[in-house]
Amino acid sequence: EAQVTQNPRYLITVTGKKLTVTCSQNMNHEYMSWYRQDPGLGLRQIYYSMNVEVTDKGDVPEGYKVSRKEKRNFPLILESPSPNQTSLYFCASSLGSGSSDTQYFGPGTRLTVL
Amino acid sequence: AQSVTQLGSHVSVSEGALVLLRCNYSSSVPPYLFWYVQYPNQGLQLLLKYTTGATLVKGINGFEAEFKKSETSFHLTKPSAHMSDAAEYFCAVSRSGGYQKVTFGTGTKLQVIP
Repeated sequence: EAQVTQNPRYLITVTGKKLTVTCSQNMNHEYMSWYRQDPGLGLRQIYYSMNVEVTDKGDVPEGYKVSRKEKRNFPLILESPSPNQTSLYFCASSLGSGSSDTQYFGPGTRLTVL
Repeated sequence: AQSVTQLGSHVSVSEGALVLLRCNYSSSVPPYLFWYVQYPNQGLQLLLKYTTGATLVKGINGFEAEFKKSETSFHLTKPSAHMSDAAEYFCAVSRSGGYQKVTFGTGTKLQVIP
């Protein structure tokens, strides 16, 4: 089954404790992105990647890191989480950017930073 | 810079009535435009996408949207609302060709009244 998976789905942590949210897709997609969703703000793009070792900042990259060492994986790293990073996070992937390409979203990771 | 404005954070329609969700964008280059739907406690699903060519775009579940450059609008419509259409809808714009730099609107929650 074609899918984007994220782990963990729920996480409660404390300020300053490094964490990683994993994202994996099994569709051999080139493009992958991370978004955060906050009430009243919609979704905001954190980082995106166009291929292995090619990443770039979205609109809200501060406090986050990413890496793309393998095509299928695109982990999101919070080196020193803070309460303002409490949010719902989505990973997404797409084969390319053509008119027939579709972006697939993962199920989301709900992060709470105390 | 690019931005998206969705008019109305909440819209209510009767079952069988026309659905009209408004989206206006700002972009310094020809935009790529998207509509996504998010059902409760789920990830996002792409409804439709405008890249180039025909300005009337048909998507899934009977939705369509028309790109109007002169009005910088990309409103989403459906002739007859179903109860299953109740969800949150997000308009988004990208200037970089597809899913690289994507900016989302703040969303519109659609309520369908029986």
